[in-house]
Amino acid sequence: GAGVSQTPSNKVTEKGKYVELRCDPISGHTALYWYRQSLGQGPEFLIYFQGTGAADDSGLPNDRFFAVRPEGSVSTLKIQRTERGDSAVYLCASRWGGNTGELFFGEGSRLTVL
Amino acid sequence: KQEVTQIPAALSVPEGENLVLNCSFTDSAIYNLQWFRQDPGKGLTSLLLIQSSQREQTSGRLNASLDKSSGRSTLYIAASQPGDSATYLCAVMGNAGNMLTFGGGTRLMVKP
Repeated sequence: GAGVSQTPSNKVTEKGKYVELRCDPISGHTALYWYRQSLGQGPEFLIYFQGTGAADDSGLPNDRFFAVRPEGSVSTLKIQRTERGDSAVYLCASRWGGNTGELFFGEGSRLTVL
Repeated sequence: KQEVTQIPAALSVPEGENLVLNCSFTDSAIYNLQWFRQDPGKGLTSLLLIQSSQREQTSGRLNASLDKSSGRSTLYIAASQPGDSATYLCAVMGNAGNMLTFGGGTRLMVKP
């Protein structure tokens, strides 16, 4: 597609529920990132994929968070047993392979845990 | 661990002023630095990307400079307009990994 697409744009759920957030990167981009942004703060790194594999998952806060990218394109961020503190905007970004490329971000998925 | 700081956190200026946003980072071993714009409730729009070997990049009324050795970057906005009102974020790509580390942003308001 023309840009990074994220769905849903908004998700309201209850504490303890399971949530999936989807990211469709720019066609041909091999690197994909997930970030989390709380109100008034800069984005915080969660996980980075190069192709199908998670090259760096050091930013995932705990084992309730998991992400996959089975075919090297679309990625899904999965959050189990959601907590109110998980409420944030989850941003996805992609770029061409290599370390010097520009990152392109999606519009984000706003998650609210009641 | 890389830390990125942006000063000021918020800035309000009258239309037409030239202004400078500051970004500092603690680890000078970087691949590149990127400036983004974020409108309320929206994603990030890339403004300028400076590779570690470059000193500056320009796009229209925007000019970004990079002094890698001192761990600083500035974003210069000429002849500011109300449409420039947004949050501006800088982020650095470190040598050690492949992730961008972001500053907290500068929230800019340009008053007509």
